[in-house]
Formats: sequence, structure tokens, C-alpha cells
Amino acid sequence: GENVEQHPSTLSVQEGDSAVIKCTYSDSASNYFPWYKQELGKGPQLIIDIRSNVGEKKDQRIAVTLNKTAKHFSLHITETQPEDSAVYFCAAHSNYQLIWGAGTKLIIKP
Amino acid sequence: EAQVTQNPRYLITVTGKKLTVTCSQNMNHEYMSWYRQDPGLGLRQIYYSMNVEVTDKGDVPEGYKVSRKEKRNFPLILESPSPNQTSLYFCASSFSAPNNQPQHFGDGTRLSIL
Repeated sequence: GENVEQHPSTLSVQEGDSAVIKCTYSDSASNYFPWYKQELGKGPQLIIDIRSNVGEKKDQRIAVTLNKTAKHFSLHITETQPEDSAVYFCAAHSNYQLIWGAGTKLIIKP
Repeated sequence: EAQVTQNPRYLITVTGKKLTVTCSQNMNHEYMSWYRQDPGLGLRQIYYSMNVEVTDKGDVPEGYKVSRKEKRNFPLILESPSPNQTSLYFCASSFSAPNNQPQHFGDGTRLSIL
């Protein structure tokens, strides 16, 4: 079955700098890769997603890239702000399920 | 307001005492699922439902039951809870299978089994 690995587990960046979180997946049939943000005490919320027929997608300060050959995808956050502090999860769709990475705690230092 | 509502939000109970966590969505979604979240393990799916009366096991179904008698409700049942089921649980829903649909999550239920 699908396996998703996510790195790093914790990322600390200076406010205004960029943050990059990386995920790899194992099932070459996976075709949908969402990213979710989880704030303290809340459920995860979708922030951006990408389908396998697209290599990159941007939405203001966030972007996602996908390399199907290497089976990895990444989340890029530019000009980080205090409200970006949260736990971020990547996921891959496989057989009617989402398989999730272990999460990355992003800390924005003032 | 579109939402997924879980109850209770917090529960401390003892081994073997049956409990039910309710989940209700008001978006007419067909797909619903339950996850547990444990430190360092991310979210692991327990059960999912493609529609009324259609349920399937996820990755960690042992010790849990679900039912889908109505479209809006998807309760999670622990018949005989054990300490290894202490976790943070999330219910989620989407219009259809999550191959291109955002999942809408509840705010979670923190269960402690003593």
C-alpha cells in the first residue's frame, strides 16, 4: 500500500524567510496530493493541493511542486509570518483513502 | 455554517466501558471518515464510508466499529476500550472520495482510556 514520508518533523525559520517541507510517496498510481494546516486545538484544513498532471501550483505565498518520476512533492511558503506557525501535513490519495505524512511543526521566530 | 461536529470534545473513561463518539455534517457530503492522530504518526484512517450503509476498514480498524444509517451521521463506537486507544480522534467529510476533494474536519475528540 501507499506510504508517505515527511521531513523535517520540526522546522524553525525567521519571520520573513522561506520554509520548505518535503514528502515522498511510494505508490506510483497516486494522483492527488493535498497539503493541510493544523492549528492548535483544531482539525486540519486544506491549504493547497496538486494533481499528478501538474508540476507546480501557486496560491499567493504558498506553492506546491510535484516530481512524479522521483515520487516526491514539496510545500514552499515564502515571506513567512507569525500566523504560519502550525503543524503541516502532506497526504497522497490511494484507493479511496488519503495516506498522511507524520507532520511538520513549523515555528516562525520573530 | 458548513461544519463537521464531533461530540464529546474530551472524554476520560475506563477500560472496557463502551463509548460512542458522534459525528455529524451539514454539507450533504457522501464520504465520511474517522482518523486517529498520535504524535509522530500523523493521521491514520480507522474507517470510512462512501455513502449510507457503505463502510470500509481503513488502516487501523481493530477495536472500533462504525455505522452509517443516515447521510449526515457517522458515529465511532468503541465496544471495549483499551488504553492503547487513548488518542486524538477526528471525523472528516467530503462530497466524494478524497481523490480531488478537500476533506472537512471536525475539531477533534480527545479520548483518555485509563
